[in-house]
Amino acid sequence: EIVMTQSPATVSVSPGERATLSCRASQSVSSNLAWYHQKPGQAPRLLIYGASTRATGIPARFSGSGSGTEFTLTISSLQSEDFAVYYCQQYNNWPPTFGQGTKVETK
Amino acid sequence: QPQLQESGPGLVKPSETLSLTCTVSGGSISSYYWGWIRQPPGKGLEWIGSIHYSGDTYYNPSYPSLKSRVTISVDASKNQFSLSLTSVTAADTAVYYCARRALESSGLYHWYFDLWGRGTLVTVSS
Repeated sequence: EIVMTQSPATVSVSPGERATLSCRASQSVSSNLAWYHQKPGQAPRLLIYGASTRATGIPARFSGSGSGTEFTLTISSLQSEDFAVYYCQQYNNWPPTFGQGTKVETK
Repeated sequence: QPQLQESGPGLVKPSETLSLTCTVSGGSISSYYWGWIRQPPGKGLEWIGSIHYSGDTYYNPSYPSLKSRVTISVDASKNQFSLSLTSVTAADTAVYYCARRALESSGLYHWYFDLWGRGTLVTVSS
């Protein structure tokens, strides 16, 4: 199976600042990469699919980029509701696999 | 927007069977694949398996010891699907999520998940 590695494990950011999260695949997954975020006690929510397409209702401050093995999720100006854990997931090869997550915390 | 809600015991004894149900509300279970994903404490997300409302089922082959113990079933009349995991051990302690596999308007399915439940913690302990 494809191993997904996220970095850093934790990132500390002030509200209004930009956050950049990385996700690396152990082999190419083309653009078949999704991002989710999860707040404590809540369901994970799909943010991005196809590496760069925002899911329904996701604000424009979330953007995804990359292809092959290297991917990035950028949150342009962090809002209070964005402090959460973020996961990437590849779906190019079956079975689908997830990264370990990056926690975005308040600086 | 449909919602998913997991239900079932929060504590299961070793060697017994873990049984969870996911209820789909605000939408129909038809047309979609519905599945289970778990997260052991301090670890990442693991896709367990998914089932179509027609009964077509996929299980994760990367965890043979899990695959041999898992059954996912669907009850379309109740808008529910279920997870059964036999002979549980402490390693099966996790938050269990139900989730919907993405379906494009074109009819193409993808293996990412566009709707999730909040999850339920199941602890395996005597």
